[in-house]
Amino acid sequence: AQSVTQLDSQVPVFEEAPVELRCNYSSSVSVYLFWYVQYPNQGLQLLLKYLSGSTLVKGINGFEAEFNKSQTSFHLRKPSVHISDTAEYFCALTKWGFQKLVFGTGTRLLVSP
Amino acid sequence: EAGVTQFPSHSVIEKGQTVTLRCDPISGHDNLYWYRRVMGKEIKFLLHFVKESKQDESGMPNNRFLAERTGGTYSTLKVQPAELEDSGVYFCASSQVGATGNTIYFGEGSWLTVV
Repeated sequence: AQSVTQLDSQVPVFEEAPVELRCNYSSSVSVYLFWYVQYPNQGLQLLLKYLSGSTLVKGINGFEAEFNKSQTSFHLRKPSVHISDTAEYFCALTKWGFQKLVFGTGTRLLVSP
Repeated sequence: EAGVTQFPSHSVIEKGQTVTLRCDPISGHDNLYWYRRVMGKEIKFLLHFVKESKQDESGMPNNRFLAERTGGTYSTLKVQPAELEDSGVYFCASSQVGATGNTIYFGEGSWLTVV
């Protein structure tokens, strides 16, 4: 079975500071990896996804993530955060050939002035 | 273009009552999914429709939950009778049929509170 671990339930950071949200996964088969964001009172929105190719994936709003197969990680980074990045971030995977997403428990990013 | 829409956005019902959640996918999306997030836990898959057929319903918790997608358009998820542990956010999502890895679009969720 596949699983996704987001060890940090909450990450506080000051505006304009860099941030890294950690995601590790477990799977015996090849997977696709995703980061979704949920802003307050909104639905889930896709930030970025890794399907194949370059291990560094760039997404919307200045976020990027790096796929590391040896460490089974897919950490999300942003060099300088804004107040508007305050949201909950979810890492997810799906097996090749399947549609079902497996999610982590989410990380709340709290950006303060 | 309209996104995935869900109704109602919030619902408070008493234990033992029935609630029906509705989802309208993005036009042209044959894949439709239901997910649920119980307070503080991960978002969990419930089931997957391709058009009107149930492709995978392995995540449905028990027979108090019934999902339908008549005509392959909108879908409903009925909980009858509701229990306290059914409280949470129910997300609907949709995607185009095709290669896996296609973007799955989520709605804003239906918040269900059972008291």
